[in-house]
Amino acid sequence: GNSVTQMEGPVTLSEEAFLTINCTYTATGYPSLFWYVQYPGEGLQLLLKATKADDKGSNKGFEATYRKETTSFHLEKGSVQVSDSAVYFCAPDYGGSQGNLIFGKGTKLSVKP
Amino acid sequence: GAGVSQTPSNKVTEKGKYVELRCDPISGHTALYWYRQSLGQGPEFLIYFQGTGAADDSGLPNDRFFAVRPEGSVSTLKIQRTERGDSAVYLCASSLRARGSSGANVLTFGAGSRLTVL
Repeated sequence: GNSVTQMEGPVTLSEEAFLTINCTYTATGYPSLFWYVQYPGEGLQLLLKATKADDKGSNKGFEATYRKETTSFHLEKGSVQVSDSAVYFCAPDYGGSQGNLIFGKGTKLSVKP
Repeated sequence: GAGVSQTPSNKVTEKGKYVELRCDPISGHTALYWYRQSLGQGPEFLIYFQGTGAADDSGLPNDRFFAVRPEGSVSTLKIQRTERGDSAVYLCASSLRARGSSGANVLTFGAGSRLTVL
């Protein structure tokens, strides 16, 4: 079946460091791609999305580009802040009869001042 | 409502008991999903409703789990004869668009109901 693999954590960075969290998905079909974030004590929130090849999703300084040739959707941020500490989930949506939003295991990010 | 509301936020029960978890989606959202998130894992799909009907219940782990949405709004997830392995956070999400619609289908999640089975 369809699946997603993301970088295992935890990831610990100093403030203003560069962040990359890798994500690859199964190449079946043409999914929409999402990153969701779960801040401590809060529910899952949509961070960004992309629906077709070469689309770049961006929000709050985070970016991810839909790479069909490598089936990847890596999350990046140039300068992380303490407030970015959270768990990040990569999630392709294959839609229709192929299923639903499929979540990776999550990557916990801790940013130290 | 403004967001997806789930009650209770925390539920502690004993093995073998019956549990109900409630989800109140965003007003007007016809699509509703239940997911389960175990400690250290990503959410796993349980069931999808489009309107009143369960369009996909393929994620329910066994027949102890059942969900209803009788009027196409509020949904209740029911777990019979709870087991310790059922301990998890149960997440509800709703969406304006039906699953499989063209374009990105954005789900809005509730804060979850944490179930602990002793």
